[in-house]
Amino acid sequence: GAGVSQSPSNKVTEKGKDVELRCDPISGHTALYWYRQSLGQGLEFLIYFQGNSAPDKSGLPSDRFSAERTGGSVSTLTIQRTQQEDSAVYLCASSLRGGTEEQYFGPGTRLTVT
Amino acid sequence: SQQGEEDPQALSIQEGENATMNCSYKTSINNLQWYRQNSGRGLVHLILIRSNEREKHSGRLRVTLDTSKKSSSLLITASRAADTASYFCATDNVQAGTALIFGKGTTLSVSS
Repeated sequence: GAGVSQSPSNKVTEKGKDVELRCDPISGHTALYWYRQSLGQGLEFLIYFQGNSAPDKSGLPSDRFSAERTGGSVSTLTIQRTQQEDSAVYLCASSLRGGTEEQYFGPGTRLTVT
Repeated sequence: SQQGEEDPQALSIQEGENATMNCSYKTSINNLQWYRQNSGRGLVHLILIRSNEREKHSGRLRVTLDTSKKSSSLLITASRAADTASYFCATDNVQAGTALIFGKGTTLSVSS
């Protein structure tokens, strides 16, 4: 079946604008994760959705960042009033049951804030 | 805070040689995973080793886990140019639960 997909693959935006990044997880996967990766760095955890439970938002760096997961499937990460330091690759992953299982990653969205 | 840290940060070898990467972590874990990333895009899961396991093999990959030293190693035998990538270890945190925590990775370059 299809893997995790993300859109857009690249996004260039002006400082101060809002952006929305989309993630389509693997069908049937109950857990969905968002990470951020700056150039040459590791993955920074942002947010974790597990089924109908309240999401773990502990990794969101500021209140400009928010995420939704509608109907337990598609997720949207929104960054308001983007700053240059928000430039990074945003990666989405899903897993079948969550927790610390194997995660399947999408190709990422490369965000550039000018 | 960083849970897993890989060592070395960068490794360059010739095709056919073995590559060893190490990962150290700080807290008790349920399992440790290794992922590969090509060209700064999505990660691919390589192998998962549970805290009660000491060694695991998958093809040319061999992973060891020493929970007393809070460390793991990934060995790639008979490396190929196609193994050129960044390799990350990821651990959970028994106390914190939820998501995996990734290290900064080892960049492996295999030249032919």
